Amino acid sequence: EPEVTQTPSHQVTQMGQEVILRCVPISNHLYFYWYRQILGQKVEFLVSFYNNEISEKSEIFDDQFSVERPDGSNFTLKIRSTKLEDSAMYFCASSHSTGELFFGEGSRLTVL
Amino acid sequence: AQRVTQPEKLLSVFKGAPVELKCNYSYSGSPELFWYVQYSRQRLQLLLRHISRESIKGFTADLNKGETSFHLKKPFAQEEDSAMYYCALFYNQGGKLIFGQGTELSVKP
Repeated sequence: EPEVTQTPSHQVTQMGQEVILRCVPISNHLYFYWYRQILGQKVEFLVSFYNNEISEKSEIFDDQFSVERPDGSNFTLKIRSTKLEDSAMYFCASSHSTGELFFGEGSRLTVL
Repeated sequence: AQRVTQPEKLLSVFKGAPVELKCNYSYSGSPELFWYVQYSRQRLQLLLRHISRESIKGFTADLNKGETSFHLKKPFAQEEDSAMYYCALFYNQGGKLIFGQGTELSVKP
């Protein structure tokens, strides 16, 4: 069964460094998402992406964040200059039709 | 504003007992509601959606528009039901699925 895959599974970085989290969505899916979960808190929506552009983003998704689908298969989340509070689990998801999302296993980001 | 509320952070029951995980939502349009589950060390996955009105792993959920609720129920809990359960609301403006806080269900033997 096809799955959403994410790399890396865990990344440790210094504050101020740039981080890129990578995702390979399920191949025939059209909608792509990033969510994050700070330890002990709920899963929070960051951004949705459809037809090669952002369709919706949350207030968390400020100018430090960007997403890209560089080659038709990968879907990346870039954090330009990481802050301590960016430490979280980041989940990528994709869907063919809206509503039922398929999630990756997550990338744990630790900012020191 | 759209919101999903799960009032219980932790629900602990014994095997064989009935379970109800509460979910309330706030949405001015016609809601599309889901329950997602995350078993230990596994990814978030869809459990059920209100549109299909199905029962998955013995769980059911009924949308009550009057009470703006979508509670998840199972008559007889099993140990393998222990997991985090998230109620989620999807709305079509840009395609956004928002989650409640999650409820950890612990089923004791």
